[in-house]
Amino acid sequence: GAVVSQHPSWVICKSGTSVKIECRSLDFQATTMFWYRQFPKQSLMLMATSNEGSKATYEQGVEKDKFLINHASLTLSTLTVTSAHPEDSSFYICSARVGQTMDTQYFGPGTRLTVL
Amino acid sequence: EDKVVQSPLSLVVHEGDTVTLNCSYEVTNFRSLLWYKQEKKAPTFLFMLTSSGIEKKSGRLSSILDKKELFSILNITATQTGDSAIYLCAVNIQGAQKLVFGQGTRLTINP
Repeated sequence: GAVVSQHPSWVICKSGTSVKIECRSLDFQATTMFWYRQFPKQSLMLMATSNEGSKATYEQGVEKDKFLINHASLTLSTLTVTSAHPEDSSFYICSARVGQTMDTQYFGPGTRLTVL
Repeated sequence: EDKVVQSPLSLVVHEGDTVTLNCSYEVTNFRSLLWYKQEKKAPTFLFMLTSSGIEKKSGRLSSILDKKELFSILNITATQTGDSAIYLCAVNIQGAQKLVFGQGTRLTINP
C-alpha cells in the first residue's frame, strides 16, 4: 500500500522558536495532503488542506500565519509552527490522498511536538 | 455543522469478550464512513462503508452502516490484548474533500 512518512517523529523546542515538520508520500504522488493535530485522548482535528502548487485551505480557527504550510512538490508538504508556545505541544499527523476521493487516504506516523 | 459522535468514549473489557463500538453522524452530504484503528502512532485503515446493511468483515472485526438511522457499528469478537487501541470513525463529506472524525473510542482489553 501507499506509504507516507513524517520527519521528525518527535521534536522538543524552546518557546519562541519555529519548527518545521515534513510529510512525504514515498511511492506515489499526492496532489492533496492534509494536516491534523491531536491532543492527548482526543480525536484528530483537521487543521488545513494542502494542495500542490497553491495556497493551503485552513479550517476555521486555525491561524494561517502561525501554521505555515507549503506543498512545493507532489511528494512533499511541510508544516512550520512559527514562534511555538507550550500550547502548541501536540501530535501532528499528515495524510495524503491517493486519487480524487477522500476514500483512499493514508496517514503518516505523526510528529510529537513538545514546546518547553 | 457536520458532526460525528462516537460512543462509548472509553471501554475496558476482558480478553475474549465481544465489543460493539458506535458511531453516529449528522452531515450535510454523506459519501462514505471509515473506521480506523490508532495505536501509538498514525491511524490504520479498517473499513470503508458506503451502502446500508452490507456487512464488511475482516477476521474478528466487522462493521455495518445504517444510512437511514445515520449510524455505524464496529464489532470485535473474541477480543485480544492486541486489540487495545483508539478506534476512530470518520465521515467523508461529498464535495468537501475532507474527513470529519469522531472523538474516538479508547478500547482496553485486559488479560
